Amino acid sequence: QITLKESGPTLVKPTQTLTLTCTFSGFSFNTRGVSVGWIRQPPGKALEWLALIYWDDDRRYSPSLRSRLTITKGTSENQVRLIMTDMDPLDTATYYCAHQPDYSNYYVRFDSWGQGILVTVSS
Amino acid sequence: SSELTQDPAVSVALGQTVRITCQGDSLSTYYTTWYQQKPGQAPVLVIYGKNNRPSGIPDRFSGSSSGTTASLTVTGAQAEDEADYYCNSRASIGDHVLFGGGTKLTVL
Repeated sequence: QITLKESGPTLVKPTQTLTLTCTFSGFSFNTRGVSVGWIRQPPGKALEWLALIYWDDDRRYSPSLRSRLTITKGTSENQVRLIMTDMDPLDTATYYCAHQPDYSNYYVRFDSWGQGILVTVSS
Repeated sequence: SSELTQDPAVSVALGQTVRITCQGDSLSTYYTTWYQQKPGQAPVLVIYGKNNRPSGIPDRFSGSSSGTTASLTVTGAQAEDEADYYCNSRASIGDHVLFGGGTKLTVL
């Protein structure tokens, strides 16, 4: 059974840097093709993809947020970290991490998601 | 264009069939993935690839595509299908990921 859970601050001030951690179980980056992504959702709004890290440490970022994002594997082998700089109230959202079981040239599929963490940006 | 466009809302009578659409240039190259999201919950994968359902997803959900438009069809909609539905794909330029704006499905 795959589980993921997001952790980090739930309140940050404008201009601060946000660091979120996704702790997972039931899979490993030792499996070829596996990846973990971050997706966010402002209150009442749509999902927005942020970043993705693959088993081989290859990384992809949303073009509109690339300059502010860093995704890494965590210090523990079952963690992924997302760093977002220069936080703004418009970044207030629920942040999800999600698992992709394999790499396909034809589709994306996040088959397991964390419960999400609501991050509020306010002074 | 690196966008996926969905109708904001669709309604269906209980037991009837409804189609939710997603439009985008990338859909002529890549398959569309569909997620269901109920209030206060994380999204759930319902369709991926050509027309694949994860285990536990009822067979009343199906996916199809033509050109730059993909569709999620719910045949015999049930009250529990009322939710937001999001389409998802790779971008046609650059190896990144797109989500549509979501469609709120109401079952009457």
